[in-house]
Amino acid sequence: QVQLQESGPGLVKPSETLSLTCAVSTYSISSGYYWGWVRQPPGKGLEWIGSYFHSGFTYYSPSLESRVTISADTSKNHLSLRLTSVTAADTAVYYCARQITGWYFDYWGQGTLVTVSS
Amino acid sequence: ETEVTQSPATLSVSPGEGATLSCRASQSVGDNIAWYQQKRGQAPRLLIYSASTRATGIPARFSGSGSGTEFTLTISSLQSEDFAVYYCQQYDNWPPGVTFGQGTRLEIK
Repeated sequence: QVQLQESGPGLVKPSETLSLTCAVSTYSISSGYYWGWVRQPPGKGLEWIGSYFHSGFTYYSPSLESRVTISADTSKNHLSLRLTSVTAADTAVYYCARQITGWYFDYWGQGTLVTVSS
Repeated sequence: ETEVTQSPATLSVSPGEGATLSCRASQSVGDNIAWYQQKRGQAPRLLIYSASTRATGIPARFSGSGSGTEFTLTISSLQSEDFAVYYCQQYDNWPPGVTFGQGTRLEIK
């Protein structure tokens, strides 16, 4: 059973950078699979942010590509998400998830709420 | 970028009855469709992938069908725990990308 746990500041000021970490347990992220970030604004639907491939490639949502960076620290077995120049529209629950057969998300973290407010 | 549209937005069904949820893609996606169930305060749960393959541990009352642009999630004999929000998700092969539908809320009638 793969376990994922997101962590990071729950409050970020407008125009600043949102930084989150996803700790992965019971599976080495360098061994395979793809790993993604998905967010969900309060009361709204799901939005894909981007994905990291164990080979080091990353792919991002076109709507966020200019502001987002996803990376991995294989020594710590965790993923990172950075989103710059945040606004209130970036307020959401942020999830990390494992991807199977390329692009389906089978294991998810519990999610972490990030609020953008001054 | 391929868009996916779900219908209806809300579906009211009595326990024990069946439910059919629809998902339409703006262009053909082959069978690159998944379905998720999300309960309040929880992360989504993968139900179906590749349009019709049940994920590990998913009961047989959940089934998926379709290809191209039209897809369906069918839940037979609804149980109390099935009332939730359901999302479909597609992916594009190139450039790689993922989009989710806006969700269908399945509520108790």
